[in-house]
Amino acid sequence: DAGVTQSPTHLIKTRGQQVTLRCSPKSGHDTVSWYQQALGQGPQFIFQYYEEEERQRGNFPDRFSGHQFPNYSSELNVNALLLGDSALYLCASSLGQGVDGYTFGSGTRLTVV
Amino acid sequence: EDQVTQSPEALRLQEGESSSLNCSYTVSGLRGLFWYRQDPGKGPEFLFTLYSAGEEKEKERLKATLTKKESFLHITAPKPEDSATYLCAVPDNTDKLIFGTGTRLQVFP
Repeated sequence: DAGVTQSPTHLIKTRGQQVTLRCSPKSGHDTVSWYQQALGQGPQFIFQYYEEEERQRGNFPDRFSGHQFPNYSSELNVNALLLGDSALYLCASSLGQGVDGYTFGSGTRLTVV
Repeated sequence: EDQVTQSPEALRLQEGESSSLNCSYTVSGLRGLFWYRQDPGKGPEFLFTLYSAGEEKEKERLKATLTKKESFLHITAPKPEDSATYLCAVPDNTDKLIFGTGTRLQVFP
């Protein structure tokens, strides 16, 4: 049973560019949440997708957007990249709102230069 | 404001030297507290969920406990392979997880 799969594992982008990160949830899960984790910090909630709609959003600018597909997979898009966007981006899947627990992927390490 | 605070930030232990990590939280209506282990450059790996004060859960050398204001992760006779960052998280009233900054544990042989 595959867990949460994220791609790519590493990415280097130039300031001002756009990036798309991808996530396939654990089998049986229907909700995908995205987190940003800066070095030495805990993960910060970006947004959550359920039934192909953004259900809630954290304190992130509109440069961060996402999408969920009918097969529950999800994408995170970041436009006009800033140096401060360099972080580990984590995808977590759950069944419903996840009070019974979230399963995290290994993350995508984004470096903006 | 919902908040999770973990202490200490870093902990260095000799192999076999038991200790405890602390997670204190302020959230209205606790609906669970999660402990995760995170290895460098990897995603958090689920360890425990605790739901009510007095609850305890164990897994190998780890035991998690919960009170009304805090949780402890006790590590008994740790081994070098227990070295990792341990994260604590609680869901807020919209069920998004609020994480602490973690405790970075290093266990030396």
